[in-house]
Amino acid sequence: EAQVTQNPRYLITVTGKKLTVTCSQNMNHEYMSWYRQDPGLGLRQIYYSMNVEVTDKGDVPEGYKVSRKEKRNFPLILESPSPNQTSLYFCASSLGGRIYEQYFGPGTRLTVT
Amino acid sequence: GEDVEQSLFLSVREGDSSVINCTYTDSSSTYLYWYKQEPGAGLQLLTYIFSNMDMKQDQRLTVLLNKKDKHLSLRIADTQTGDSAIYFCAERASGGYQKVTFGTGTKLQVIP
Repeated sequence: EAQVTQNPRYLITVTGKKLTVTCSQNMNHEYMSWYRQDPGLGLRQIYYSMNVEVTDKGDVPEGYKVSRKEKRNFPLILESPSPNQTSLYFCASSLGGRIYEQYFGPGTRLTVT
Repeated sequence: GEDVEQSLFLSVREGDSSVINCTYTDSSSTYLYWYKQEPGAGLQLLTYIFSNMDMKQDQRLTVLLNKKDKHLSLRIADTQTGDSAIYFCAERASGGYQKVTFGTGTKLQVIP
């Protein structure tokens, strides 16, 4: 089944404790993105990747890191999480092309205390 | 930068039509999308429209685009309880990088 998976789905952590949210897609997509969803703000892009070893900042990259060592994986790293990073995070992938349909993972709800 | 705005909430009765509106600012938008997010799930592409079109119909869904006013709408005919979800409008500009800007989302509540 074609899908984007994220782990963990739920995470409660404390300020400053490094964490990684994994994202994996099995569709051989070149494009991958991370978004955060906050009430009243919609989805905002954190980072994106156009291919292996090619990543760039989105609209809200501060406090986040990413890597793309393999085509299927695009982990999101919070080196020193803070309470303002409490949010719902989505990974998405796309084949690109004219329509650029994005396929989203189920989301990771992160709480930083 | 690009900005995409939607009203936050819409309530309709089952069987009525729903109209969800969206305005955007980027005049270079090439594709405009409607994504649906069901409770506890990720977003799923519902439909899209290319900027040189003014209408697209797909079964119960009708998308209208007024490019002059930068206004996009999604009409759902015969709204069902299964249509209850958050609907996101999104736009993509032309160019090499495929950046998509999402709106704030409209929560549609369908009353039985």
